[in-house]
Amino acid sequence: DAGVTQSPTHLIKTRGQQVTLRCSPKSGHDTVSWYQQALGQGPQFIFQYYEEEERQRGNFPDRFSGHQFPNYSSELNVNALLLGDSALYLCASSLTGGPNEKLFFGSGTQLSVL
Amino acid sequence: GESVGLHLPTLSVQEGDNSIINCAYSNSASDYFIWYKQESGKGPQFIIDIRSNMDKRQGQRVTVLLNKTVKHLSLQIAATQPGDSAVYFCAEGGDSWGKLQFGAGTQVVVTP
Repeated sequence: DAGVTQSPTHLIKTRGQQVTLRCSPKSGHDTVSWYQQALGQGPQFIFQYYEEEERQRGNFPDRFSGHQFPNYSSELNVNALLLGDSALYLCASSLTGGPNEKLFFGSGTQLSVL
Repeated sequence: GESVGLHLPTLSVQEGDNSIINCAYSNSASDYFIWYKQESGKGPQFIIDIRSNMDKRQGQRVTVLLNKTVKHLSLQIAATQPGDSAVYFCAEGGDSWGKLQFGAGTQVVVTP
């Protein structure tokens, strides 16, 4: 049973570019959440996708957008990259995404913006 | 704003001893708490969770204690092993879909 998988594992971009990160949830899960983890800090919630729609959003600008596909996989897009966007981007899946439900995380995509 | 924080940024523990990692939370509306372990280069791995209607919950070698009166959460690891070396995060949820509020983390270093 595959867990949460993310691709790519590492990515280097320059300021102003756009990036797309991908995530496949754990088998049986239909909800995907994205988190940003800066070096030495805890993960910060970006948004959650359920039934192909954004259900909840954290305090991130509109440059961060996402998409969920019918097979429950998801993409995170970041436009007009800034140096401060350099971080580990984590995808997490859950059964329904409910408030009292544990999240299963992937290993993340390490994004470096130069 | 509301936040989850940890008392100790680094905890050094001798192999075989018990570890205690502490966490304070400030959102009284939170009713779900969870501990994650994160090893270098990996995503957070679920350890144990607890709901606000409980004071204590035990897993394999781990125990989570919740004190709602002082808004304090702790993770106890029995007989700490080298494989327990990692960063441990507490997180709180319960007030919105899929959103866990994470603390800054505690680095646990197990020494021989």
